[in-house]
Amino acid sequence: KNEVEQSPQNLTAQEGEFITINCSYSVGISALHWLQQHPGGGIVSLFMLSSGKKKHGRLIATINIQEKHSSLHITASHPRDSAVYICAVLNTGNQFYFGTGTSLTVIP
Amino acid sequence: ETGVTQTPRHLVMGMTNKKSLKCEQHLGHNAMYWYKQSAKKPLELMFVYNFKEQTENNSVPSRFSPECPNSSHLFLHLHTLQPEDSALYLCASSQPSGVYTQYFGPGTRLTVL
Repeated sequence: KNEVEQSPQNLTAQEGEFITINCSYSVGISALHWLQQHPGGGIVSLFMLSSGKKKHGRLIATINIQEKHSSLHITASHPRDSAVYICAVLNTGNQFYFGTGTSLTVIP
Repeated sequence: ETGVTQTPRHLVMGMTNKKSLKCEQHLGHNAMYWYKQSAKKPLELMFVYNFKEQTENNSVPSRFSPECPNSSHLFLHLHTLQPEDSALYLCASSQPSGVYTQYFGPGTRLTVL
């Protein structure tokens, strides 16, 4: 069993829809990262958080440390949001664990 | 422009070849990372360097040999690879330790024939 589980694995949405991607983890963490990977491989770090909530443009990331759960929300989704979204956690022993990613396709 | 560059972007090599992947960062970071991404699998952290010292080696086979001559450059030397080593190899950098945001390079798509 992977230490980081993401759901859903695949997601298709209509342009404009509100999107939620979930991440659950089983280890104690010092930080959680949300990454975005576009076709072709390039990865961009979207958020790093250890508590509460962060917002950047149409993206919102939340984390609940007690429940070991984080969500990534995209408001007013757009085709350019189509990518793979990866959740990664850094545990208290400084080890990284990655989810398998959520593949998002936004249809115009 | 992410500030982290990788060369080459694509590499095809035979199992008996020796090649090297190069990563360079212009962000003033002191930590650099090599990751492997295989199809349908999570990202795998391979090596971590902090201030040019290797601090993590996640049971990576010896046919992969990292080198970090300074805080701005990271190499991954490859020799006698196997077809299952075909993957996307990503380099990243950050301020020391993983608590800080990592900045990724575009990756090298490696195919081993």
